[in-house]
Amino acid sequence: RKEVEQDPGPFNVPEGATVAFNCTYSNSASQSFFWYRQDCRKEPKLLMSVYSSGNEDGRFTAQLNRASQYISLLIRDSKLSDSATYLCVVNGGSSNTGKLIFGQGTTLQVKP
Amino acid sequence: GAVVSQHPSWVICKSGTSVKIECRSLDFQATTMFWYRQFPKQSLMLMATSNEGSKATYEQGVEKDKFLINHASLTLSTLTVTSAHPEDSSFYICSATDGLETQYFGPGTRLLVL
Repeated sequence: RKEVEQDPGPFNVPEGATVAFNCTYSNSASQSFFWYRQDCRKEPKLLMSVYSSGNEDGRFTAQLNRASQYISLLIRDSKLSDSATYLCVVNGGSSNTGKLIFGQGTTLQVKP
Repeated sequence: GAVVSQHPSWVICKSGTSVKIECRSLDFQATTMFWYRQFPKQSLMLMATSNEGSKATYEQGVEKDKFLINHASLTLSTLTVTSAHPEDSSFYICSATDGLETQYFGPGTRLLVL
């Protein structure tokens, strides 16, 4: 089983749509959770951290369910510029090594 | 935000040659740097963790004699792919942290070994 699992997609949605991505992780000792965005042939960029209480940043909402080891990202009112691969990222364990485990990524294509 | 640079951004080399990739933190001191590799349509895979002044910690399955890492200062880490072969062709990305939670990624280096 992969440490971080995501549906690779692609998700093809029209502009203005709401889309949700899910992710599961296997290490119950993980303490930090993130969503990164990666554009084609570019490095990943931090989109947002994910907290147990849930957090929102504009059109983006992230949720964490520790009991189910499940993380989600909701994008409202999709824009063409949201087209990218979204990476679910989890830190590597209970010790603060800074080690990050990346999911395979979910590809989003927003169409006019 | 913090800036991390990598050099070169891409390199093409013949099989058997060695390639050195530099990773620099430009506006902060990086206590730890990480080296990742990404093959097409796959996730980033951590290769090694590098702390300034000490030996790198390699992930399982990564050959330390093939991927030499040097972290000589708080702003520079280098990855040398020794005797590169076509299967080493990949996207190599470094990241750096100042000890807080966020990792800042470099723009990556595309390596093509012919």
